[in-house]
Amino acid sequence: AQSVTQLDSQVPVFEEAPVELRCNYSSSVSVYLFWYVQYPNQGLQLLLKYLSGSTLVKGINGFEAEFNKSQTSFHLRKPSVHISDTAEYFCAVRSTGNQFYFGTGTSLTVIP
Amino acid sequence: ETGVTQSPTHLIKTRGQQVTLRCSSQSGHNTVSWYQQALGQGPQFIFQYYREEENGRGNFPPRFSGLQFPNYSSELNVNALELDDSALYLCASSLTGSTDTQYFGPGTRLTVL
Repeated sequence: AQSVTQLDSQVPVFEEAPVELRCNYSSSVSVYLFWYVQYPNQGLQLLLKYLSGSTLVKGINGFEAEFNKSQTSFHLRKPSVHISDTAEYFCAVRSTGNQFYFGTGTSLTVIP
Repeated sequence: ETGVTQSPTHLIKTRGQQVTLRCSSQSGHNTVSWYQQALGQGPQFIFQYYREEENGRGNFPPRFSGLQFPNYSSELNVNALELDDSALYLCASSLTGSTDTQYFGPGTRLTVL
């Protein structure tokens, strides 16, 4: 079974500062990796995904993530955050059985 | 927009009752998955349907059941509701067999009193 660990439950950051949200996964097989964002009272929206190829993945809203197989990590980064980035962020792993396993989420709060 | 819709938006039930939640998948997607998201938690996989048959199940009891229809709409049924069933229920559609991703609906907020 897969598991996903998001190391920080809450991350406060000042506007225009960089941010990194950490994600580690456990798997002995190839996986597909995703980051989703959830705004209050809404469903999940895909930010980016890693399926294969380049380990640096760029997504929407200026976010990017780097897949590190040796460290089983898939950390999300943004060089300069905006107030509108305040939301809950979920890292997810998709197994070969097409099932998704989500982390417990990181609440990003951007401070003006 | 993802094209995945869910109804109703909110629902209040009492313990022991039964509930049916509905999902309309994104056009062309033949797979639907359902998730339970408790307050402050990540989504937990309930089950997945592909071509109207269950195609994987998470750690949920049999009182959680589902249906997928030929038009790819689907239902999640929960019998004998318990207080711990209070959560946001999300459906997500995808194309099985591809490396495509899942597209989520906005969810149904279920409150069990």
